[in-house]
Amino acid sequence: GAGVSQTPSNKVTEKGKYVELRCDPISGHTALYWYRQSLGQGPEFLIYFQGTGAADDSGLPNDRFFAVRPEGSVSTLKIQRTERGDSAVYLCASSLGFQGDGYTFGSGTRLTVV
Amino acid sequence: DQQVKQNSPSLSVQEGRISILNCDYTNSMFDYFLWYKKYPAEGPTFLISISSIKDKNEDGRFTVFLNKSAKHLSLHIVPSQPGDSAVYFCAASGWDSGYALNFGKGTSLLVTP
Repeated sequence: GAGVSQTPSNKVTEKGKYVELRCDPISGHTALYWYRQSLGQGPEFLIYFQGTGAADDSGLPNDRFFAVRPEGSVSTLKIQRTERGDSAVYLCASSLGFQGDGYTFGSGTRLTVV
Repeated sequence: DQQVKQNSPSLSVQEGRISILNCDYTNSMFDYFLWYKKYPAEGPTFLISISSIKDKNEDGRFTVFLNKSAKHLSLHIVPSQPGDSAVYFCAASGWDSGYALNFGKGTSLLVTP
């Protein structure tokens, strides 16, 4: 596609539920990143994929968070047993390589845990 | 621990004047710095970058200055236009931060006609 697509754009879920957030990167981009932006904060790094493998998952806050990219294109961020503190905008970005100036961000998924 | 700090949450500038957005960092291992611009309900878009081997980078109306000794960088927009009104994020990366970009909290710029 022309840009990075994230679905859904908005998600409201109850505390304790499981959610999946999807990212469809720009075709041909091998690098994919997930960031989380809480209210009044800048984006915070979660995980980086190069191809199918997670090259750096040091930003995942705890084991309730998990992400996959099985075929090296679409990625899914999975959050188990959601908590109210997980409420944020989850941003996905892709690039041809690891190059911050080449990042293209999606519009994000706004997750609200009630 | 916020390693990239943007201490001004907001800035208002008249159209045609200069906008100066500031950013400080604490990690001396950072060697690449970027500015992103964000409109509401959109993802951040890359604006301009600078590597630590330079002290200035210019792209049209946008110039980034880097002062390594002070661990400070600034973004200058000249002349400012109403379409520049957005939130601007400073970001930094370095060999010890792996593949992560470290972002500041952002500065909301309003350019008034």
